[in-house]
Amino acid sequence: AQSVTQPDIHITVSEGASLELRCNYSYGATPYLFWYVQSPGQGLQLLLKYFSGDTLVQGIKGFEAEFKRSQSSFNLRKPSVHWSDAAEYFCAVEPIGTASKLTFGTGTRLQVTL
Amino acid sequence: NAGVTQTPKFRVLKTGQSMTLLCAQDMNHEYMYWYRQDPGMGLRLIHYSVGEGTTAKGEVPDGYNVSRLKKQNFLLGLESAAPSQTSVYFCASVRLKNTGELFFGEGSRLTVL
Repeated sequence: AQSVTQPDIHITVSEGASLELRCNYSYGATPYLFWYVQSPGQGLQLLLKYFSGDTLVQGIKGFEAEFKRSQSSFNLRKPSVHWSDAAEYFCAVEPIGTASKLTFGTGTRLQVTL
Repeated sequence: NAGVTQTPKFRVLKTGQSMTLLCAQDMNHEYMYWYRQDPGMGLRLIHYSVGEGTTAKGEVPDGYNVSRLKKQNFLLGLESAAPSQTSVYFCASVRLKNTGELFFGEGSRLTVL
């Protein structure tokens, strides 16, 4: 069955520490891949996307993600976390040609300690 | 530029009541979506529309109806609300050529007693 998995429900990091959020997908062919962020009480905002080509993609707010076909993964990273990065992060996939019908993972809530 | 606007932002209903959520976007986007967000379940697609006058079912369409009479508006209706429909509802829109780059509203929190 097609699925998107975010194995970490909740992660806590110290401000200034590095961050990696995991995302795995299970689809017949490599879909389009996305990371979205949701601040409390807000809608989701696109951080970055991967369609093809360079497997390391840069996004807004200093985030990057690496696509690894062999592991069916698209992990989100940030070298140095800021307190304002505390939010919920969603990995999403779009099977190619499906009118932007995204399937979202269950999310990872990031807490940043000072 | 308001982006995607949802009304109302909060609503409490009794079981069996009906209501309509309105989503309006001012970006001339072709595609629009309604998602629901529940704790531990991420966002699940209810219905979507690829253009004015067209709608289609998503992952969890039961108990909901939608209409898109104008390109900028996408309405989500609950004909007979049930407690299982207590959720936060998000509308999103995207430009046809910018696949996957959804713009979201701020959400509508619905409680069904």
